[in-house]
Amino acid sequence: QKEVEQNSGPLSVPEGAIASLNCTYSDRGSQSFFWYRQYSGKSPELIMFIYSNGDKEDGRFTAQLNKASQYVSLLIRDSQPSDSATYLCAVRTGGSYIPTFGRGTSLIVHP
Amino acid sequence: DAGVIQSPRHEVTEMGQEVTLRCKPISGHDYLFWYRQTMMRGLELLIYFNNNVPIDDSGMPEDRFSAKMPNASFSTLKIQPSEPRDSAVYFCALSQGAGETQYFGPGTRLLVL
Repeated sequence: QKEVEQNSGPLSVPEGAIASLNCTYSDRGSQSFFWYRQYSGKSPELIMFIYSNGDKEDGRFTAQLNKASQYVSLLIRDSQPSDSATYLCAVRTGGSYIPTFGRGTSLIVHP
Repeated sequence: DAGVIQSPRHEVTEMGQEVTLRCKPISGHDYLFWYRQTMMRGLELLIYFNNNVPIDDSGMPEDRFSAKMPNASFSTLKIQPSEPRDSAVYFCALSQGAGETQYFGPGTRLLVL
């Protein structure tokens, strides 16, 4: 079982809709959770991080963490075509100081 | 990719040749990471350094791969000899702490023919 799993997609949503991206992890001792965005041909860049159970909001982005169910989600409200990218989940597991990356979910926001 | 310069940005070489990828951190960070990204395998951690010292190289696929960080401003990843399956985008990334946010360089796109 992979440590960090994401649906590869693509996830296609219309402009203005809410995009929901999910990530599950296997290590219950995981402590830190990151969402990176990667445009085609570019490098990953951090969108948000979350450490505690619950929601964390930053503009149109909301990260949701549920440690009991071992998943972390990223919601993008009022999706824009410029949000079209691959979203990588990274999890710092209990056994390592270094976050492990998922394979990423491709998001397409169509006008 | 602010704070990290990678060179070359693109490299095309023939199988068996030596390839050297370079990373120059502009800003001060304690950790430097080398990743490889392919469609098949996603983003893979190859090796990371803390204060110029290699900490974990368990992700280095074979002895053909080696990495050095002679000082805080420079790191290299060398592949010798290169093989077509080494074709990928190689990223250098920095962070202040081991589990903290990572800042990625622009990457080097390597194609081995």
